[in-house]
Amino acid sequence: AQSVTQPDIHITVSEGASLELRCNYSYGATPYLFWYVQSPGQGLQLLLKYFSGDTLVQGIKGFEAEFKRSQSSFNLRKPSVHWSDAAEYFCAVDSYNFNKFYFGSGTKLNVKP
Amino acid sequence: EAQVTQNPRYLITVTGKKLTVTCSQNMNHEYMSWYRQDPGLGLRQIYYSMNVEVTDKGDVPEGYKVSRKEKRNFPLILESPSPNQTSLYFCASNKGQGAGTEAFFGQGTRLTVV
Repeated sequence: AQSVTQPDIHITVSEGASLELRCNYSYGATPYLFWYVQSPGQGLQLLLKYFSGDTLVQGIKGFEAEFKRSQSSFNLRKPSVHWSDAAEYFCAVDSYNFNKFYFGSGTKLNVKP
Repeated sequence: EAQVTQNPRYLITVTGKKLTVTCSQNMNHEYMSWYRQDPGLGLRQIYYSMNVEVTDKGDVPEGYKVSRKEKRNFPLILESPSPNQTSLYFCASNKGQGAGTEAFFGQGTRLTVV
């Protein structure tokens, strides 16, 4: 069965510092991978997605993610965090059934001034 | 503006009192689904619909019902809510066909069952 692991429940970084959020997946083939962000009281917004091709994908708000097949990982990065990036971030895998996404348990990002 | 709209945003109810959470999308998407979000568990799919009158169970369907009489609407029904259904609920719709299409989410409905 597919699964998605986000090992960090909470992360705190200082404003201006770099950020990396980890995501590992378990899947039998090359999956379709997504990162979503959930701001307090809001729904989920797509940050970026990987389907195929270049393993480094760019998203909105200055985020990027790198797909590493050998490590079954899809880590999210940002070179310089802004206070407005404080939110919860979810990694998700598409199960090839476009009606079902498997989500990680989420990582809450806190940004220190 | 393309969006998925859920109502209500917040709901407090008592055990056993039937309730419906509505979901509507204006993107002409064929595919819609419901998720619940619980701390430490991420989002888990409750039900999904591939088209009008076509629905199927997700991972946690117990205690829920859905219907899809119109393409744009996909209400979630709790016939007899219980406290373990206290959660944050999201409706989502997918554009296009085939795997890999992104899901668009509503803003969520926070349900408390006392």
